[in-house]
Amino acid sequence: GNSVTQMEGPVTLSEEAFLTINCTYTATGYPSLFWYVQYPGEGLQLLLKATKADDKGSNKGFEATYRKETTSFHLEKGSVQVSDSAVYFCALSVPNDYKLSFGAGTTVTVRA
Amino acid sequence: GAVVSQHPSWVICKSGTSVKIECRSLDFQATTMFWYRQFPKQSLMLMATSNEGSKATYEQGVEKDKFLINHASLTLSTLTVTSAHPEDSSFYICSARVLGSGYGYTFGSGTRLTVV
Repeated sequence: GNSVTQMEGPVTLSEEAFLTINCTYTATGYPSLFWYVQYPGEGLQLLLKATKADDKGSNKGFEATYRKETTSFHLEKGSVQVSDSAVYFCALSVPNDYKLSFGAGTTVTVRA
Repeated sequence: GAVVSQHPSWVICKSGTSVKIECRSLDFQATTMFWYRQFPKQSLMLMATSNEGSKATYEQGVEKDKFLINHASLTLSTLTVTSAHPEDSSFYICSARVLGSGYGYTFGSGTRLTVV
């Protein structure tokens, strides 16, 4: 089946630090990969996505590259802010199946 | 655009009562809606997929008689937790697939259910 393994948190950083959250996947076929962010008390928002190998998704200073050879989609940000404090979810979907499979989520706290 | 409004945002109910959660697509037609359950500090678990005008498809292990899903129109899907018990306390989130946006999904803001 399809699954996503995500680095467990929580992660606590200082402002302007470098953030990386590891994500690896198992899937049949060629999945699309996503990072979602959930701020406290809110639903999920799409942060970025990549639909084929070597694609790089980017948004709000976050980046992730679809690596087929290592089945990974690690999330990175070079300089985090307090406002980046949230839970981050890696997810995938496979063609012709519109369900999303989520990783366990990583809680990130950025201190001023 | 592509906003899903979910209500209520939180609800407390007594054991044995039923609770209805609504998700409305405000500016698009949601032919497919997904319902998730999220336990504290855990990921989202897909409960069921509903398509407008047809019966929902439930994931393995989800009691369809306890979690009633209705998707009677293209803008409204509801989840009713029947005869709720404390173990049903959780965070419930709906999501709609947004057609014409590639692999776009939009999520409701979630409902915190506490059964006492």
